[in-house]
Amino acid sequence: SQTIHQWPATLVQPVGSPLSLECTVEGTSNPNLYWYRQAAGRGLQLLFYSVGIGQISSEVPQNLSASRPQDRQFILSSKKLLLSDSGFYLCAWGKGGFRAFFGQGTRLTVV
Amino acid sequence: SQQGEEDPQALSIQEGENATMNCSYKTSINNLQWYRQNSGRGLVHLILIRSNEREKHSGRLRVTLDTSKKSSSLLITASRAADTASYFCATDVTSGTYKYIFGTGTRLKVLA
Repeated sequence: SQTIHQWPATLVQPVGSPLSLECTVEGTSNPNLYWYRQAAGRGLQLLFYSVGIGQISSEVPQNLSASRPQDRQFILSSKKLLLSDSGFYLCAWGKGGFRAFFGQGTRLTVV
Repeated sequence: SQQGEEDPQALSIQEGENATMNCSYKTSINNLQWYRQNSGRGLVHLILIRSNEREKHSGRLRVTLDTSKKSSSLLITASRAADTASYFCATDVTSGTYKYIFGTGTRLKVLA
């Protein structure tokens, strides 16, 4: 069966520090991969999506970047975190026209 | 950008009552999905309705889709305290690549 792993569950980082969040998928191949951010009490904002290795589309200009070094691995990064990067980050995978599967999310607090 | 808008933003009902949430979207879609999110957690998929379907049922859930009005509704019948959560619609837009765009969500509180 397909599963998606996202870690860590919570993270507290100082302003200016780097960030690396990792997401891996099991049980499927060539998935579309997504990173979303959710501000407190708000909806999900699509940050990046990828349709294949090395193919990244950015939806919102920001202080973050994404990479897909392997078919089932999606990484969200920042060189220097800002206070405004705080939020709940969700990784997801899907395949054309079908439902999306979500990880459990990472709550990032930048202090 | 936000594709969908749910209303109401918040809804409070008594246990046993029905809850109806609405979602409007802007562009043509392949399908529309509803998700539930318990406080601070990941998203749970509830139901997917395709653009050529008008109504779909799953247990106590009933979803309708009106593509002419670009809107969908989620009905939860005989609500329970455990249904307390935020509910989001997500559209799978027909852009050539499959992007799931979420609405702003409805916060449902079911009072015991």
